[in-house]
Amino acid sequence: ETGVTQTPRHLVMGMTNKKSLKCEQHLGHNAMYWYKQSAKKPLELMFVYNFKEQTENNSVPSRFSPECPNSSHLFLHLHTLQPEDSALYLCASSQDFEDSEAFFGQGTRLTVV
Amino acid sequence: GQNIDQPTEMTATEGAIVQINCTYQTSGFNGLFWYQQHAGEAPTFLSYNVLDGLEEKGRFSSFLSRSKGYSYLLLKELQMKDSASYLCASMDSNYQLIWGAGTKLIIKP
Repeated sequence: ETGVTQTPRHLVMGMTNKKSLKCEQHLGHNAMYWYKQSAKKPLELMFVYNFKEQTENNSVPSRFSPECPNSSHLFLHLHTLQPEDSALYLCASSQDFEDSEAFFGQGTRLTVV
Repeated sequence: GQNIDQPTEMTATEGAIVQINCTYQTSGFNGLFWYQQHAGEAPTFLSYNVLDGLEEKGRFSSFLSRSKGYSYLLLKELQMKDSASYLCASMDSNYQLIWGAGTKLIIKP
């Protein structure tokens, strides 16, 4: 248990569906992140929120839409995804944006069919 | 461009020592990280080096040479539970982590 909880753990969705991934941390951290992890590829940083404000959007397609309602919760809204979006989506948090240690959730394994 | 290189897979024997190498090229440098990730689980923080030299933490040690853009993770007295992927990441001048693809370490009895 790392203190960062993601739900659901597994998700299968069609290309026309809309779904949301949820991340929750009760570590008192100020920065939260969404990463995409594909097999045998480096972790790809998607979005960064620092004090609930989005600070990074690394050229992520608009079919991925993040939301950070408060410093403890982070969502990733998904719509009209493509099969190549199938991957493990990891949420992480750190005390501050420049902090040296990030705590990861166990991820949501997403399959787009 | 920014790049992190580490071997895709390594095999070692229980009780032995293994060294996982990582070379990095990033725009600026604010530290080198190692994370461990067991299959189906979250990556967990192992070490952080920002100055040259060796940092020891129990059975695990991490080394950094900034002039060479090089780091290694040294695992001693290997145990079966050390079978995992080891992720190397460099923090660039914008405090973004640039990740390697990970090294899958297989421990054999």
